[in-house]
Amino acid sequence: DQQVKQNSPSLSVQEGRISILNCDYTNSMFDYFLWYKKYPAEGPTFLISISSIKDKNEDGRFTVFLNKSAKHLSLHIVPSQPGDSAVYFCAASAQGTYKYIFGTGTRLKVLA
Amino acid sequence: SQTIHQWPATLVQPVGSPLSLECTVEGTSNPNLYWYRQAAGRGLQLLFYSVGIGQISSEVPQNLSASRPQDRQFILSSKKLLLSDSGFYLCAWCRGGNQPQHFGDGTRLSIL
Repeated sequence: DQQVKQNSPSLSVQEGRISILNCDYTNSMFDYFLWYKKYPAEGPTFLISISSIKDKNEDGRFTVFLNKSAKHLSLHIVPSQPGDSAVYFCAASAQGTYKYIFGTGTRLKVLA
Repeated sequence: SQTIHQWPATLVQPVGSPLSLECTVEGTSNPNLYWYRQAAGRGLQLLFYSVGIGQISSEVPQNLSASRPQDRQFILSSKKLLLSDSGFYLCAWCRGGNQPQHFGDGTRLSIL
């Protein structure tokens, strides 16, 4: 039972354009959502998070949007840079469970 | 600042041999600790987590085990490795609920 899904295994975007990565979840108890970036042979690096009481959180070039009714979140990267090329994971957690459930990842390639 | 150390970076083991992977966290006390596995082309699968010394929660039945002998030390073990245990193992910590996790650099385990 995949509670957190990233349906696009890969995405290619031109440098300078917007990258939009999507994530869907099924568990309505999730109240905290995160995005991570991962390079090969390294651990994931935390990018940005959002609590379920908000619908948007912004940090520099990265913005996360949360649509609770659709159980959907997205990560926008503007403008995209070649160094953004990596695998991006979304993750979710429910208050009091201590567990973080990860999606299967989306490989982003930013073309110069 | 907090740091997480995970070793070894790579490990090649024969089928049936034992395993011990170690993870330590510095700069914080009473962290929540996690072991994940990323199989080739897959997402992050939560294996074990611990919210205190001696407390271990197992997520996936398998021939792996985890222990937390000290507050900031988390060990992943196996008595007899299987071919299916190959993968990229990641240790992570976080301060508590609704806080981002921070990952180590991972161990690439190959079983021959």
